Amino acid sequence: DIVLTQSPDSLTVSLGEGATLSCKSSQSVLYTSTNKNYLAWYQQKSGQPPKLLIYWASTRESGVPDRFSGNGSATDFTLTISSLQAEDVAVYYCHQYHRLPLTFGGGTKVEIK
Amino acid sequence: QITLKESGPTLVRPTQTLTLSCAFSGFSLSTSGVGVGWIRQPPGRALEWLATIYWNDDKRYSPSLGSRLTIAKDTFKNQVVLTVTNVHPVDTGTYYCAHFTRSGHWDSWGQGTLVTVSS
Repeated sequence: DIVLTQSPDSLTVSLGEGATLSCKSSQSVLYTSTNKNYLAWYQQKSGQPPKLLIYWASTRESGVPDRFSGNGSATDFTLTISSLQAEDVAVYYCHQYHRLPLTFGGGTKVEIK
Repeated sequence: QITLKESGPTLVRPTQTLTLSCAFSGFSLSTSGVGVGWIRQPPGRALEWLATIYWNDDKRYSPSLGSRLTIAKDTFKNQVVLTVTNVHPVDTGTYYCAHFTRSGHWDSWGQGTLVTVSS
């Protein structure tokens, strides 16, 4: 199985400041024939289902604010929130869809300082 | 607009079979490349993929639950059903169904249904 390790477990950031979340994969999720990384990021607010933010490691889902950006390739990925807003308080999960079984990271909780 | 809604029992006794339904709209499970899957989340914990069924009736299951899972679709009713046999308290959690895109990721999720396994 592909293991996704997210860090840190939690992050406290001041409003307007930036936040960088890490996701490291135990195996490459880069599909060489398409040159695409099969890695997505989800935001889950308390009591709500996950919401897709980023897919293909860096493609922002329609309607997602551009303060969210994804980067990385193969085994190392980041989600950056450029200027944290109050509504960004949530747990963020990375997810690989490169290989079965599909797996998720353990999540990073983002809070306001 | 894609919507999905899960339904099923809120309380199940250990060793019983759990049956969950996912009613969806906004897409057809006969469209090439798409699918519907189930993902669960124990209270306070991370997400765990369980199963996916594709437009061509291909099915994939999490090895960790293996033969305890069965997924099926009713294309005409726009419904997907997941059964989990021989449940235990560790199966307690919120069960989500989600739309699987041709690109391979989940883009729309239901609100989830909380299932408690307890005697």
